[in-house]
Amino acid sequence: KAGVTQTPRYLIKTRGQQVTLSCSPISGHRSVSWYQQTPGQGLQFLFEYFSETQRNKGNFPGRFSGRQFSNSRSEMNVSTLELGDSALYLCASSLDDSNGYTFGSGTRLTVV
Amino acid sequence: AQRVTQPEKLLSVFKGAPVELKCNYSYSGSPELFWYVQYSRQRLQLLLRHISRESIKGFTADLNKGETSFHLKKPFAQEEDSAMYYCALSAPYNTDKLIFGTGTRLQVFP
Repeated sequence: KAGVTQTPRYLIKTRGQQVTLSCSPISGHRSVSWYQQTPGQGLQFLFEYFSETQRNKGNFPGRFSGRQFSNSRSEMNVSTLELGDSALYLCASSLDDSNGYTFGSGTRLTVV
Repeated sequence: AQRVTQPEKLLSVFKGAPVELKCNYSYSGSPELFWYVQYSRQRLQLLLRHISRESIKGFTADLNKGETSFHLKKPFAQEEDSAMYYCALSAPYNTDKLIFGTGTRLQVFP
């Protein structure tokens, strides 16, 4: 079966712009989580969606937002980009918590 | 606060040597613990979860609630085990879905 698909793979944006990243979970998975990975902070949880509802949210500013559609596909949006937002953004989907999470390859965002 | 600590950034061993990647956590309840692995140029993938008590690629990990540890072990390391290993915690009512440690890079030399 197809894995978790994230698009685009790479993105370069300038400060102040906004960006939207997309994630298609494994078929049948209704939970989608987003993580930011940086060399300095490691992997940090952004938010999680389940059945189109945000179920959990990490400690990130309001510039980071997301949503989930009825087909479980999810998008995350970052507005007013800052240099520090440069990171690898990972999406993970899960059938349920006890089975762990399957990660996508990520979107590498560079803010210049 | 919930936290996962991986004290070693880098662990280097020779092929055939035993490996132990340390992971300690802080959580007052009953968390679920995972090990994820990221091979070079590949995506992060689940290696082990404590509830399944399984051995994957020769790796095992036992949850020690007394010591709040979930160390990853393999008796004989292989070169293909070289990768970045992350310990992660998931807890009920935890607003952070998965809390990751900072990772340990395992290098296995021939």
